[in-house]
Amino acid sequence: DTGVSQNPRHKITKRGQNVTFRCDPISEHNRLYWYRQTLGQGPEFLTYFQNEAQLEKSRLLSDRFSAERPKGSFSTLEIQRTEQGDSAMYLCASSQGLAGVDTQYFGPGTRLTVL
Amino acid sequence: AQSVTQPDIHITVSEGASLELRCNYSYGATPYLFWYVQSPGQGLQLLLKYFSGDTLVQGIKGFEAEFKRSQSSFNLRKPSVHWSDAAEYFCAVGGDKLIFGTGTRLQVFP
Repeated sequence: DTGVSQNPRHKITKRGQNVTFRCDPISEHNRLYWYRQTLGQGPEFLTYFQNEAQLEKSRLLSDRFSAERPKGSFSTLEIQRTEQGDSAMYLCASSQGLAGVDTQYFGPGTRLTVL
Repeated sequence: AQSVTQPDIHITVSEGASLELRCNYSYGATPYLFWYVQSPGQGLQLLLKYFSGDTLVQGIKGFEAEFKRSQSSFNLRKPSVHWSDAAEYFCAVGGDKLIFGTGTRLQVFP
């Protein structure tokens, strides 16, 4: 069990550019979650997947944000036309996806800085 | 509205002292409660969780938490703090979508 991995760990971009982050969940975990954490705040839920199906995306911050999990394994989070307010830590988590509630295990995050 | 409140933004304790971090929640259904710890440059690590049953739950690193439904609280405790416990601690509630508090930063003096 290698844990949840995220790449890149850091990303610096200029305003208006598109960025894409990748998350590799713990193997055999069916659920994958994306959160955003800004300075001095707790993580804020964005979206999640059960296998390849995106079950909730209403919390994505704007239509500039999109996420995919095409084969039910890794996931990508894309931000188009980045703004300075998008600067944050983007966290990915995965869980087994058992019935009811199960435990989410988090990756180290991708820190985005928009200049 | 569902929410989590961690009233203490910053706590400082001496090494070896006891610790209690407060967490209050507002949740419409039976709450599923979690405590996570985040060290600089690290992801969130699960300390413990409460789903049902015994209201006193034991976690890793010597931490425990007690669920009190009447007070809507889930406070985290440790009898003797170590310098390595210095970190940010987050309480969370929910199921598929975790709702986090704003965190409590713990500083430990030798």
